[in-house]
Amino acid sequence: EVQLVESGGGLVQPGGSLRLSCAASGFRFNSYSMTWVRQAPGKGLEWVANIKQDGSEKSYVDSVKGRFTISRDNAKNSVYLQMNSLRADDTAVYFCARDPRLWAFYFIDYWGLGTLVTVSS
Amino acid sequence: QSTLTQPRSVSGSPGQSVTMSCTGTSSDVGGYKYVSWYRQDPGKAPKVIIYDVNKRPSGVPDRFSGSKSGNTASLTISGLQADDEADYYCCSYGGTYRPWVFVGGAKLTVL
Repeated sequence: EVQLVESGGGLVQPGGSLRLSCAASGFRFNSYSMTWVRQAPGKGLEWVANIKQDGSEKSYVDSVKGRFTISRDNAKNSVYLQMNSLRADDTAVYFCARDPRLWAFYFIDYWGLGTLVTVSS
Repeated sequence: QSTLTQPRSVSGSPGQSVTMSCTGTSSDVGGYKYVSWYRQDPGKAPKVIIYDVNKRPSGVPDRFSGSKSGNTASLTISGLQADDEADYYCCSYGGTYRPWVFVGGAKLTVL
């Protein structure tokens, strides 16, 4: 059974940093790209960042470029999101999700339950 | 409609059909045959119900159907049931460097 479990969320002051982690299990982790999607309170979904299977390619939504860094450790079956210079509009539930494009499936097929990040003074 | 805003509201009575649409651009919805729809229940993770515009994962009833015309994608739910009440989001592949574009969302209320 595919499982994605996020951790690391919490309350942080504007300008602060936070590192989110996502532990994956139930599938061959190094065969999938991974993605982070966020959802601000009461709002819709927004793709944040993506990383290829081997970590060689990363992409970001414009609003987080230069502030967020996605990474992965295939030996630990984990993906991370380092968030720096946090702003109030980064407040959201952050979902870790599996991206099966390597297998010619162009949709997000599994999601974690999310972790809440609150940026406030 | 960007999903950075509140999902719009859509409603219908049990047994009726409802259609929700999302309009993207030629760089996403109009440029690829990879539109997916997700259902999200309150406090839960989204779950895919349509992919590749009109394909259903196993376990999703055929009451759910998808289509696309130009830059606009649509989800139709026929034979509406009370437990269809949820938020629904439209997502399109947007290319290598912007892979997932959440184009629109709708809050479905079953009256």
